[in-house]
Amino acid sequence: ILNVEQSPQSLHVQEGDSTNFTCSFPSSNFYALHWYRWETAKSPEALFVMTLNGDEKKKGRISATLNTKEGYSYLYIKGSQPEDSATYLCALKTSYDKVIFGPGTSLSVIP
Amino acid sequence: DAGITQSPRHKVTETGTPVTLRCHQTENHRYMYWYRQDPGHGLRLIHYSYGVKDTDKGEVSDGYSVSRSKTEDFLLTLESATSSQTSVYFCAISEQTGLIEAFFGQGTRLTVV
Repeated sequence: ILNVEQSPQSLHVQEGDSTNFTCSFPSSNFYALHWYRWETAKSPEALFVMTLNGDEKKKGRISATLNTKEGYSYLYIKGSQPEDSATYLCALKTSYDKVIFGPGTSLSVIP
Repeated sequence: DAGITQSPRHKVTETGTPVTLRCHQTENHRYMYWYRQDPGHGLRLIHYSYGVKDTDKGEVSDGYSVSRSKTEDFLLTLESATSSQTSVYFCAISEQTGLIEAFFGQGTRLTVV
């Protein structure tokens, strides 16, 4: 059974702090990696799709990097704001149509 | 916001009864998915569809069936609900396979008592 892991499980940071978390996956099964942001009481929202080793994507204060050889992706948030509070999910696409989600990292930004 | 709606949003049902959840889209996306979300498990794929009348199983498909008779609707049926199927169910749509740039519905909270 393929496993996608995320760490830490939860994170509390002060407003203005920068933070990062990790998604780990079996490198032999890589096809693409997704990052989603999921606010409480809302539905998941797509952030990035990453496909190439060394990919780096950025959207505002949020960026992500990908290492397919060692099987991990980092998500960075620069200068965290309270509105960044959410669960961040990564999802591994392992083949044409199979996607496996990680359990998520829950981020709370304290004003 | 993408045009995807789930109904009902909340449902309480008794063990052994059939339940159908509906996902409706107005985006004309080819791919539709049903996920369940449980604490500690993230989102797990139940079934997905890659076209009208074309469906396939996901990782937790036992006890569930689906149907897609038209592009805009994807139905998830629990033939005989069990307490282990108490969960939050999410529908998703995407133009490309593999959940690329997918949009998710608001979720349906199902409680089986």
